[in-house]
Amino acid sequence: GESVGLHLPTLSVQEGDNSIINCAYSNSASDYFIWYKQESGKGPQFIIDIRSNMDKRQGQRVTVLLNKTVKHLSLQIAATQPGDSAVYFCAEGGKLIFGQGTELSVKP
Amino acid sequence: ETGVTQSPTHLIKTRGQQVTLRCSSQSGHNTVSWYQQALGQGPQFIFQYYREEENGRGNFPPRFSGLQFPNYSSELNVNALELDDSALYLCASSRDRHTGELFFGEGSRLTVL
Repeated sequence: GESVGLHLPTLSVQEGDNSIINCAYSNSASDYFIWYKQESGKGPQFIIDIRSNMDKRQGQRVTVLLNKTVKHLSLQIAATQPGDSAVYFCAEGGKLIFGQGTELSVKP
Repeated sequence: ETGVTQSPTHLIKTRGQQVTLRCSSQSGHNTVSWYQQALGQGPQFIFQYYREEENGRGNFPPRFSGLQFPNYSSELNVNALELDDSALYLCASSRDRHTGELFFGEGSRLTVL
């Protein structure tokens, strides 16, 4: 069965606000997680990854937090822009076991 | 642009037929992975090829098969098509088999009637 899953299927935020997308996983042995963004009509696009020896990793306007105690990770997007509107997936492992996805809508 | 190209972009088949989907990987990448994405769902891992050999397979029946060629391009073959095979088939290449940073193509949309 699915080993990663996102908490909310949809998320709506105001342009300029911060967005937080949450994901839970079930396998305590999982040690590598990746976030992807998929825009309509396109393939998924890599955003950021994190290994289990880290709690936090930052990229450009994005931060991923990993809480191994509760088997939870989150993707934070700062100053959300209309171009951030997409479906976001968390995935586990090098062969990428994807969750269901959260659709982020950004209101102007 | 990811440098990963897939063909055809759309195709329609009937039940029982066979289909071959093609993928050219990004230059310098030796690993190709294939995914099936049903409407409104996350991509499901079919299999991965590393240097022409299968390196892992998801929960798909044997009628889903693949190949990777010496230039690291790849094919996905599906025999005895079923209605539930209708989906977007995504190919992704990566620089090695251990990274989760995959570069996806835009997919081949298969409709089975």
